[in-house]
Amino acid sequence: DAGVIQSPRHEVTEMGQEVTLRCKPISGHDYLFWYRQTMMRGLELLIYFNNNVPIDDSGMPEDRFSAKMPNASFSTLKIQPSEPRDSAVYFCASSLGTGKGQPQHFGDGTRLSIL
Amino acid sequence: AQTVTQSQPEMSVQEAETVTLSCTYDTSESDYYLFWYKQPPSRQMILVIRQEAYKQQNATENRFSVNFQKAAKSFSLKISDSQLGDAAMYFCAYRSGNAGNMLTFGGGTRLMVKP
Repeated sequence: DAGVIQSPRHEVTEMGQEVTLRCKPISGHDYLFWYRQTMMRGLELLIYFNNNVPIDDSGMPEDRFSAKMPNASFSTLKIQPSEPRDSAVYFCASSLGTGKGQPQHFGDGTRLSIL
Repeated sequence: AQTVTQSQPEMSVQEAETVTLSCTYDTSESDYYLFWYKQPPSRQMILVIRQEAYKQQNATENRFSVNFQKAAKSFSLKISDSQLGDAAMYFCAYRSGNAGNMLTFGGGTRLMVKP
């Protein structure tokens, strides 16, 4: 079975540009998570969805960040306008329900560099 | 809020030897789940092992086992017969049994394996 698929794998863009990161969760999974990983702050949860509905977006750093999940098989994380401090690896993860400690399955991440 | 602490930024082990990575967490909950994830240089996040807090028996997965001490809020990972492919960052993570499905990660431990 295909795992969580993220695109692009690498993104380099200039400050001020709009950046869109994409994620396709594992089929049948009803939870989707966006994380950001940096050397300084480690792995941080940005936002998560349950059945396509945003549940907790308290980790979204500021209004420049937005996330959507229009259907069960697709989510986007958008940064507009982007800034150099947004440079990080962004992970998407999905999981099936909350019962019995279902683990989160991670995509390969998108390495974002803002110049 | 829960916190997860990995006190060893780096560890090294000789190939074929055993190494233990430490993790402590702070919570007031009684129902929760704990995970260890491995992140090799390829930056994938790979689930290594998980433990349900209500289970007294320590989880094992082949060469990987945990020492779960609920009263001490400790969750260490033991890797037996270390292999070169075990070299990676290892992250301990906590998930509440009550509040959503999000993970709180520790800062990670970089494991080096010497041939």
